[in-house]
Amino acid sequence: DTEVTQTPKHLVMGMTNKKSLKCEQHMGHRAMYWYKQKAKKPPELMFVYSYEKLSINESVPSRFSPECPNSSLLNLHLHALQPEDSALYLCASSQEQEDNEQFFGPGTRLTVL
Amino acid sequence: GQSLEQPSEVTAVEGAIVQINCTYQTSGFYGLSWYQQHDGGAPTFLSYNALDGLEETGRFSSFLSRSDSYGYLLLQELQMKDSASYFCAVSKGRRALTFGSGTRLQVQP
Repeated sequence: DTEVTQTPKHLVMGMTNKKSLKCEQHMGHRAMYWYKQKAKKPPELMFVYSYEKLSINESVPSRFSPECPNSSLLNLHLHALQPEDSALYLCASSQEQEDNEQFFGPGTRLTVL
Repeated sequence: GQSLEQPSEVTAVEGAIVQINCTYQTSGFYGLSWYQQHDGGAPTFLSYNALDGLEETGRFSSFLSRSDSYGYLLLQELQMKDSASYFCAVSKGRRALTFGSGTRLQVQP
């Protein structure tokens, strides 16, 4: 299994909603990432988990809350988002945090109304 | 901080060769990666250069000059399916990737 899966594919939420994005990989990778990508822009790193511990938080607002329940799963909990948070949220994994080959999931297209 | 510069758009015809340049400014540089992303798709890894020189993988090659803080991706025998966005990205040790702004390649028949 050499893929990263993400659910849901699309999500529409109001500013008062609470929702979660899910990511899963079964490649035995020990590093997992959340990126945010706006249209026609590059992916922007949000969080990195290494061996199930938060390694990097790129000064992301607290309305985004990551969670790594085990080595295969990565969640992103969303609460009180703003319309400008609408974007494609990409999950990725790599063997180790230092590895440059990252495997990306297809992303969750999030719209905040 | 880090900054990467690459052209915003490149157009070429099928069968041609195209070079996408990337210049970077960063401290603690470890290497330069290249990713491809089709519209609506996920980024996929193409290549990584840690040392100066050329790395070849099929129709794609990537070059790095650490002294010039410069690299490029070379695509040969262009095919229509190569139409996509191409991102260079730098890594700094345990810091994860920082992506350039991307180059949109359009291959014409």
